[in-house]
Amino acid sequence: NAGVTQTPKFQVLKTGQSMTLQCAQDMNHNSMYWYRQDPGMGLRLIYYSASEGTTDKGEVPNGYNVSRLNKREFSLRLESAAPSQTSVYFCASSEEGLNTQYFGPGTRLTVL
Amino acid sequence: GESVGLHLPTLSVQEGDNSIINCAYSNSASDYFIWYKQESGKGPQFIIDIRSNMDKRQGQRVTVLLNKTVKHLSLQIAATQPGDSAVYFCAERGAGRRALTFGSGTRLQVQP
Repeated sequence: NAGVTQTPKFQVLKTGQSMTLQCAQDMNHNSMYWYRQDPGMGLRLIYYSASEGTTDKGEVPNGYNVSRLNKREFSLRLESAAPSQTSVYFCASSEEGLNTQYFGPGTRLTVL
Repeated sequence: GESVGLHLPTLSVQEGDNSIINCAYSNSASDYFIWYKQESGKGPQFIIDIRSNMDKRQGQRVTVLLNKTVKHLSLQIAATQPGDSAVYFCAERGAGRRALTFGSGTRLQVQP
């Protein structure tokens, strides 16, 4: 039982490049989330998926898109990366109706 | 608007002492609160949670206190150990909402 896994662990992009961050969970959770964490700050919600087939915007969705590929996987895409998107990205999951979210190890993204 | 904040950005304690980390929230409609621990380079790790119909909840070496009158949340760690050194985040969920709102974090430093 690996919990929540994320790939890649580190990524460096140039402005304007695109990439997809991958997230998978093996806890059979219905809900999944993407957060970003900037230095010295708490986590801010980008998008979430309450259940397979649904996605909703969070606090800071601009510049991102998501896909809930199946119950296990929830990906985050940057179509045209900007330096302001330099951050650590965390994926999380939770059981539907319950609030404890379990986090992955994060992806550290730098946009030059 | 809603906000979750912490009183102290850094807390330094001696090994063996008790630690108290505080958090203020502004949304009186919040019905669920949670504490996470984040070690350097890792994702947030669930510590303990509490619902708004409770005032206190205890775990192993940790206690969360909720004072709804003054909208204050605290995390108490008994007999603090070096392994407790980390950044601690409180988070809250507004009633009827799915996503968590995180505070900016408090760094706990345990001195040997």
